[in-house]
Amino acid sequence: NAGVTQTPKFQVLKTGQSMTLQCAQDMNHEYMSWYRQDPGMGLRLIHYSVGAGITDQGEVPNGYNVSRSTTEDFPLRLLSAAPSQTSVYFCASSGHYGYTFGSGTRLTVV
Amino acid sequence: RKEVEQDPGPFNVPEGATVAFNCTYSNSASQSFFWYRQDCRKEPKLLMSVYSSGNEDGRFTAQLNRASQYISLLIRDSKLSDSATYLCVVNERFSGGYNKLIFGAGTRLAVHP
Repeated sequence: NAGVTQTPKFQVLKTGQSMTLQCAQDMNHEYMSWYRQDPGMGLRLIHYSVGAGITDQGEVPNGYNVSRSTTEDFPLRLLSAAPSQTSVYFCASSGHYGYTFGSGTRLTVV
Repeated sequence: RKEVEQDPGPFNVPEGATVAFNCTYSNSASQSFFWYRQDCRKEPKLLMSVYSSGNEDGRFTAQLNRASQYISLLIRDSKLSDSATYLCVVNERFSGGYNKLIFGAGTRLAVHP
C-alpha cells in the first residue's frame, strides 16, 4: 500500500538545467496535482490533472510542464531551472477519502 | 488579500494547555474545509474536516462560521506530540466540476514540557 511515491527526495540543479520530478500513485485516483511550498507561504498549485490525457494549469505554472499518459503517473518537468524554483514540491492524488500527499522533493537551484 | 489567512505563530504552550487557531477565507463560495497537520520536513496529512455544526475528534474541536468566513481549531490538553504546523485548507470547486485545495501558510505550534 504505497500511496503516492515521489522521486527523488532531494535534488540540486544548476541554473538552466532541466529535470523531471516523478510522481506515481497506486490508488487508481483520477485527480492528481503538484504543489510547491515556500517558507511563509501556503502550498501553491502548479498543475493538476483530472485524468489520463487531461492536464491544466494551477496558480503558478510558469517554468513547469506536465503530462498524464497513465492514471498512475504524473511527472513534473522543469524546463530550465531558475533559483526561484528552489522549493519543496509535493505531489498529491485525490479520491473519495480526500487527498494523499507524497513525501516531497526538496529542490535547490544554484 | 490571501485566499486563506492564518496567524503564523509560533504558539509556544506548556503541556496540558488549551490552544486555539483561527483562519479566515475570502471566497464565500468555498465548498468544504479542513485542518491538515504538517510535521517538520514532512508532507501534510489530514487532521480533520470542518463542518458547520462543529465537530470533535478526541482533544481536537473544529468550528466553521460560514457567515463570517472563519474556521477554528481548538486543541485541549496539549501533548508534546502535537508540536507541528497546522494548515487551514479550503476546497473550492472550479469550472468542469473539479475541486482544488487552497492552503493557508500554516500556524506553528510548539508544546514544551
